Amino acid sequence: ILNVEQSPQSLHVQEGDSTNFTCSFPSSNFYALHWYRWETAKSPEALFVMTLNGDEKKKGRISATLNTKEGYSYLYIKGSQPEDSATYLCASRAGFSGGYNKLIFGAGTRLAVHP
Amino acid sequence: DTEVTQTPKHLVMGMTNKKSLKCEQHMGHRAMYWYKQKAKKPPELMFVYSYEKLSINESVPSRFSPECPNSSLLNLHLHALQPEDSALYLCASSQVLGQPQHFGDGTRLSIL
Repeated sequence: ILNVEQSPQSLHVQEGDSTNFTCSFPSSNFYALHWYRWETAKSPEALFVMTLNGDEKKKGRISATLNTKEGYSYLYIKGSQPEDSATYLCASRAGFSGGYNKLIFGAGTRLAVHP
Repeated sequence: DTEVTQTPKHLVMGMTNKKSLKCEQHMGHRAMYWYKQKAKKPPELMFVYSYEKLSINESVPSRFSPECPNSSLLNLHLHALQPEDSALYLCASSQVLGQPQHFGDGTRLSIL
């Protein structure tokens, strides 16, 4: 059974601060790791899909790294802005039959950026 | 604006009612998904359709009945639900299975 953990559960930062949070997933049978941003009253928005160990993706001020051997991914936000306030979800896909097509989500990190 | 449209946005129903949730996308995606999300919990996969055929049923109770009448539409028929079924129901689609998923805004369901 896949178990995806995210930490911290909640994070409050000041505008301009840089921040990061963690997604942990089982490293065995790993296939892909997805990051989503979910703003209140909106739909989850895909940020990154990562598959290779050591992969690093960047989108504006947001970047993510992946370590498939130890089973974790970090999401970094540089110079946080109030509009970055959202819940950040990660989801893992496994490479075994029956797991390949399923996203198993973590509970998310709720980020609040204060002006 | 999301490209996956879910209706209604909110639904309140009694335990004996029959209602349906609707999901629509016009991106030509051939995989569609239903998730259930309770407060402060991760979204949980319920059903996956691929090319209009049910691909995954995550042991969901029969009071939830999915239907995919065509490649753009996904319905979730509800009957005799329980109060613990109150949750946010999210629909998603992807080009094919395994590709990044695009989510709708969800239907917030309350069972009285």
